Amino acid sequence: GNSVTQMEGPVTLSEEAFLTINCTYTATGYPSLFWYVQYPGEGLQLLLKATKADDKGSNKGFEATYRKETTSFHLEKGSVQVSDSAVYFCALIYPIRGLTFGEGTQLTVNP
Amino acid sequence: EPEVTQTPSHQVTQMGQEVILRCVPISNHLYFYWYRQILGQKVEFLVSFYNNEISEKSEIFDDQFSVERPDGSNFTLKIRSTKLEDSAMYFCASRSGTPNTEAFFGQGTRLTVV
Repeated sequence: GNSVTQMEGPVTLSEEAFLTINCTYTATGYPSLFWYVQYPGEGLQLLLKATKADDKGSNKGFEATYRKETTSFHLEKGSVQVSDSAVYFCALIYPIRGLTFGEGTQLTVNP
Repeated sequence: EPEVTQTPSHQVTQMGQEVILRCVPISNHLYFYWYRQILGQKVEFLVSFYNNEISEKSEIFDDQFSVERPDGSNFTLKIRSTKLEDSAMYFCASRSGTPNTEAFFGQGTRLTVV
């Protein structure tokens, strides 16, 4: 079946540090890949997406590239801010099915 | 900007009672979903709904759960006889019919079973 595996958390960084959150997936065919973010006490918001191999999704300084050869979709940001503190979920979707989420990675950015 | 809305934001119920969680998806969307998130844990898929029927459900979605789209705008999740372990945040989501588009999530309903 389909699955998404994220790096174990939580992750704690200082402001302006470089962020990588690893995500790998197992799926048949070519799903679309997403990163969602959940700020404290809120719902899930789409952060970025990629719909085919070698696509790069980007938003708010975050980037992730759909790598078919390594079945990965790692999230990166060059310089994190305190306001980036949240839980980040990697997810995949097929055209008529629901999202499959990874476990989520708690990011805390300290001033 | 269109959004998915969920009511209530918080529901407290006694074990064994029935609850109905309500969602209004984005109006031109065709796919509807319910997910749950037990505190501090991953987001788990419950059910997807398309063309007025369930298209997929997880092993969590047993006979105690049902979904309905009663009037073309609301999408409800009913839990017939709640258990303590049903306490979680329940998220509704919807997607358009365009392939590979993202799902939009509501703010969630926090269900507490006591």
